[in-house]
Amino acid sequence: DIQMTQSPSSLPASLGDRVTIPCRASQNIYHYINWYQQKPGKAPKLLIYATSTLESGVPSRFSGSGSGTDFTLTITSLQPEDFGTYYCQQSYIMPWTFGQGTKVEIK
Amino acid sequence: QLHLQESGPGLVKPSETLSLTCTVSGGSISVGGYYWAWIRQPPGKGPEWIGGVSFAGSTYDNPSLKSRVTLSVDTSKNQFSLKLSSMTAADTAVYYCARRNRIYNWFDPWGQGILVNVSS
Repeated sequence: DIQMTQSPSSLPASLGDRVTIPCRASQNIYHYINWYQQKPGKAPKLLIYATSTLESGVPSRFSGSGSGTDFTLTITSLQPEDFGTYYCQQSYIMPWTFGQGTKVEIK
Repeated sequence: QLHLQESGPGLVKPSETLSLTCTVSGGSISVGGYYWAWIRQPPGKGPEWIGGVSFAGSTYDNPSLKSRVTLSVDTSKNQFSLKLSSMTAADTAVYYCARRNRIYNWFDPWGQGILVNVSS
Protein backbone atom coordinates (compact mmCIF):
# COMPACT_ATOMS: atom_id res chain seq x y z
CA ASP A 1 0.00 0.00 0.00
CA ILE A 2 1.09 3.59 -0.59
CA GLN A 3 1.71 5.40 2.72
CA MET A 4 0.82 9.08 2.90
CA THR A 5 2.75 11.00 5.54
CA GLN A 6 1.60 14.34 6.87
CA SER A 7 3.90 16.19 9.22
CA PRO A 8 3.44 18.19 11.33
CA SER A 9 0.26 16.84 12.87
CA SER A 10 -0.46 20.29 14.32
CA LEU A 11 0.20 23.68 12.75
CA PRO A 12 -0.47 26.81 14.85
CA ALA A 13 -1.27 29.83 12.71
CA SER A 14 -2.79 33.30 12.90
CA LEU A 15 -5.48 34.94 10.81
CA GLY A 16 -3.99 36.29 7.59
CA ASP A 17 -1.01 33.89 7.68
CA ARG A 18 0.18 32.03 4.62
CA VAL A 19 -0.04 28.36 5.58
CA THR A 20 1.65 25.47 3.81
CA ILE A 21 0.63 21.90 4.60
CA PRO A 22 2.96 19.17 3.30
CA CYS A 23 2.19 15.60 2.32
CA ARG A 24 4.66 12.92 1.23
CA ALA A 25 3.86 9.68 -0.58
CA SER A 26 5.90 6.51 -0.04
CA GLN A 27 6.27 6.08 -3.80
CA ASN A 28 5.76 8.08 -6.98
CA ILE A 29 2.08 8.99 -7.38
CA TYR A 30 2.67 11.48 -10.21
CA HIS A 31 -0.09 14.08 -9.80
CA TYR A 32 -2.68 11.76 -8.27
CA ILE A 33 -3.43 13.45 -4.97
CA ASN A 34 -6.57 14.95 -3.46
CA TRP A 35 -7.01 17.21 -0.43
CA TYR A 36 -9.84 17.39 2.09
CA GLN A 37 -10.80 19.70 4.96
CA GLN A 38 -12.52 18.32 8.05
CA LYS A 39 -14.19 20.28 10.82
CA PRO A 40 -14.84 18.66 14.24
CA GLY A 41 -17.79 16.27 14.16
CA LYS A 42 -18.21 16.64 10.40
CA ALA A 43 -17.29 14.59 7.36
CA PRO A 44 -14.29 15.53 5.25
CA LYS A 45 -14.98 17.90 2.37
CA LEU A 46 -13.13 17.76 -0.95
CA LEU A 47 -11.02 20.86 -1.60
CA ILE A 48 -8.58 20.00 -4.39
CA TYR A 49 -8.15 17.06 -6.76
CA ALA A 50 -5.42 15.99 -9.18
CA THR A 51 -2.86 18.04 -7.23
CA SER A 52 -4.09 21.50 -8.13
CA THR A 53 -7.69 21.58 -9.41
CA LEU A 54 -10.03 23.40 -7.04
CA GLU A 55 -13.37 21.78 -6.40
CA SER A 56 -16.30 24.01 -7.31
CA GLY A 57 -17.04 26.58 -4.63
CA VAL A 58 -13.64 26.35 -2.91
CA PRO A 59 -12.09 29.81 -2.34
CA SER A 60 -9.14 30.76 -4.51
CA ARG A 61 -6.92 31.30 -1.44
CA PHE A 62 -6.51 27.50 -1.49
CA SER A 63 -4.01 26.01 -3.91
CA GLY A 64 -2.17 22.75 -4.39
CA SER A 65 1.20 21.90 -5.89
CA GLY A 66 3.78 19.17 -6.21
CA SER A 67 4.45 15.99 -8.14
CA GLY A 68 5.97 12.58 -7.64
CA THR A 69 6.19 12.09 -3.88
CA ASP A 70 6.06 15.60 -2.39
CA PHE A 71 2.96 17.76 -2.36
CA THR A 72 1.74 20.93 -0.66
CA LEU A 73 -1.60 22.50 0.14
CA THR A 74 -1.31 26.27 0.55
CA ILE A 75 -3.72 28.74 2.09
CA THR A 76 -2.57 32.23 1.11
CA SER A 77 -4.40 34.22 3.81
CA LEU A 78 -5.87 32.18 6.63
CA GLN A 79 -9.52 32.95 7.39
CA PRO A 80 -11.50 31.98 10.53
CA GLU A 81 -13.41 29.29 8.65
CA ASP A 82 -10.15 27.62 7.56
CA PHE A 83 -9.28 26.21 10.97
CA GLY A 84 -9.65 22.45 10.95
CA THR A 85 -7.83 19.29 9.90
CA TYR A 86 -6.53 18.73 6.39
CA TYR A 87 -6.00 15.31 4.84
CA CYS A 88 -4.23 14.25 1.68
CA GLN A 89 -5.33 11.15 -0.25
CA GLN A 90 -3.51 9.34 -3.04
CA SER A 91 -5.67 8.53 -6.03
CA TYR A 92 -3.04 6.65 -8.04
CA ILE A 93 -3.78 3.05 -7.12
CA MET A 94 -6.07 1.02 -4.88
CA PRO A 95 -6.27 0.73 -1.95
CA TRP A 96 -6.84 4.48 -1.81
CA THR A 97 -4.99 5.79 1.23
CA PHE A 98 -5.13 8.94 3.33
CA GLY A 99 -2.63 10.76 5.46
CA GLN A 100 -3.06 11.12 9.21
CA GLY A 101 -3.90 14.79 8.88
CA THR A 102 -2.53 18.22 9.79
CA LYS A 103 -4.62 20.24 12.21
CA VAL A 104 -4.46 23.98 11.59
CA GLU A 105 -5.01 25.61 14.97
CA ILE A 106 -5.20 29.14 16.29
CA LYS A 107 -1.79 30.37 17.46
CA GLN B 1 -27.83 18.48 -4.44
CA LEU B 2 -26.67 14.94 -3.75
CA HIS B 3 -27.08 13.76 -0.16
CA LEU B 4 -25.89 10.53 1.44
CA GLN B 5 -27.11 9.16 4.76
CA GLU B 6 -25.77 6.17 6.68
CA SER B 7 -28.00 3.99 8.84
CA GLY B 8 -27.31 1.06 11.11
CA PRO B 9 -26.44 0.13 14.69
CA GLY B 10 -24.19 2.25 16.84
CA LEU B 11 -23.10 -0.69 18.96
CA VAL B 12 -21.90 -4.11 17.83
CA LYS B 13 -20.60 -6.98 19.95
CA PRO B 14 -17.19 -8.51 19.29
CA SER B 15 -17.25 -11.29 16.64
CA GLU B 16 -20.58 -10.04 15.23
CA THR B 17 -21.19 -8.67 11.75
CA LEU B 18 -21.76 -4.95 11.19
CA SER B 19 -24.45 -4.07 8.65
CA LEU B 20 -24.72 -0.51 7.35
CA THR B 21 -26.83 1.02 4.59
CA CYS B 22 -26.29 4.26 2.73
CA THR B 23 -29.32 5.98 1.21
CA VAL B 24 -28.64 8.35 -1.68
CA SER B 25 -31.04 11.23 -2.33
CA GLY B 26 -31.02 14.18 -4.71
CA GLY B 27 -29.66 12.05 -7.54
CA SER B 28 -29.57 8.54 -8.95
CA ILE B 29 -27.14 5.90 -7.79
CA SER B 30 -27.30 4.50 -11.34
CA VAL B 31 -25.52 7.43 -12.98
CA GLY B 32 -22.31 6.45 -14.71
CA GLY B 33 -18.86 7.61 -13.76
CA TYR B 34 -18.99 6.90 -10.05
CA TYR B 35 -18.44 4.22 -7.49
CA TRP B 36 -20.17 4.24 -4.11
CA ALA B 37 -17.73 3.91 -1.27
CA TRP B 38 -17.40 3.14 2.41
CA ILE B 39 -14.70 4.85 4.45
CA ARG B 40 -14.07 4.69 8.17
CA GLN B 41 -12.20 6.92 10.57
CA PRO B 42 -11.06 5.67 13.99
CA PRO B 43 -11.14 8.35 16.70
CA GLY B 44 -8.27 10.80 16.24
CA LYS B 45 -6.94 9.11 13.10
CA GLY B 46 -7.05 9.57 9.36
CA PRO B 47 -9.71 8.02 7.13
CA GLU B 48 -9.36 4.46 5.84
CA TRP B 49 -10.97 3.30 2.59
CA ILE B 50 -12.99 0.12 3.13
CA GLY B 51 -14.32 -0.55 -0.35
CA GLY B 52 -16.78 0.43 -3.03
CA VAL B 53 -19.49 -0.80 -5.37
CA SER B 54 -20.74 0.33 -8.78
CA PHE B 55 -24.42 0.58 -9.68
CA ALA B 56 -23.89 -2.56 -11.76
CA GLY B 57 -22.65 -4.45 -8.72
CA SER B 58 -18.88 -4.49 -9.34
CA THR B 59 -17.00 -4.31 -6.06
CA TYR B 60 -13.52 -3.47 -4.78
CA ASP B 61 -12.36 -3.65 -1.19
CA ASN B 62 -9.27 -3.02 0.88
CA PRO B 63 -7.11 -6.16 1.16
CA SER B 64 -6.14 -5.09 4.70
CA LEU B 65 -9.61 -6.13 5.83
CA LYS B 66 -8.84 -9.72 4.85
CA SER B 67 -12.05 -10.67 3.04
CA ARG B 68 -14.31 -9.52 5.88
CA VAL B 69 -16.14 -7.09 3.60
CA THR B 70 -19.35 -7.68 1.65
CA LEU B 71 -20.67 -4.87 -0.54
CA SER B 72 -23.97 -4.65 -2.38
CA VAL B 73 -26.19 -2.17 -4.18
CA ASP B 74 -29.97 -1.86 -4.54
CA THR B 75 -30.69 0.53 -7.39
CA SER B 76 -34.46 0.26 -6.87
CA LYS B 77 -34.04 1.83 -3.44
CA ASN B 78 -31.09 4.07 -4.37
CA GLN B 79 -29.09 2.41 -1.61
CA PHE B 80 -25.83 0.56 -1.14
CA SER B 81 -24.71 -1.52 1.80
CA LEU B 82 -21.71 -2.75 3.77
CA LYS B 83 -21.32 -5.87 5.86
CA LEU B 84 -18.15 -6.22 7.93
CA SER B 85 -17.73 -9.54 9.70
CA SER B 86 -15.80 -10.61 12.79
CA MET B 87 -15.87 -7.20 14.39
CA THR B 88 -13.30 -6.37 17.09
CA ALA B 89 -12.54 -3.30 19.18
CA ALA B 90 -10.08 -2.22 16.47
CA ASP B 91 -13.06 -1.69 14.17
CA THR B 92 -14.52 1.03 16.38
CA ALA B 93 -14.76 4.10 14.14
CA VAL B 94 -17.01 6.59 12.43
CA TYR B 95 -18.21 4.91 9.24
CA TYR B 96 -18.93 7.11 6.23
CA CYS B 97 -20.45 6.45 2.86
CA ALA B 98 -19.31 8.59 -0.05
CA ARG B 99 -19.37 8.89 -3.81
CA ARG B 100 -16.10 8.24 -5.66
CA ASN B 101 -15.32 9.76 -9.02
CA ARG B 102 -13.95 7.03 -11.33
CA ILE B 103 -11.51 9.27 -13.17
CA TYR B 104 -9.90 11.31 -10.42
CA ASN B 105 -10.79 8.94 -7.58
CA TRP B 106 -11.86 11.69 -5.21
CA PHE B 107 -14.58 11.18 -2.60
CA ASP B 108 -17.41 13.70 -2.50
CA PRO B 109 -19.92 14.16 -1.05
CA TRP B 110 -19.71 12.15 2.15
CA GLY B 111 -22.53 11.19 4.46
CA GLN B 112 -22.58 12.63 7.97
CA GLY B 113 -21.09 9.42 9.36
CA ILE B 114 -22.21 6.95 11.98
CA LEU B 115 -20.15 6.10 15.05
CA VAL B 116 -19.91 2.35 15.54
CA ASN B 117 -18.61 1.06 18.85
CA VAL B 118 -17.54 -2.54 19.25
CA SER B 119 -18.08 -3.65 22.81
CA SER B 120 -19.65 -6.47 24.75
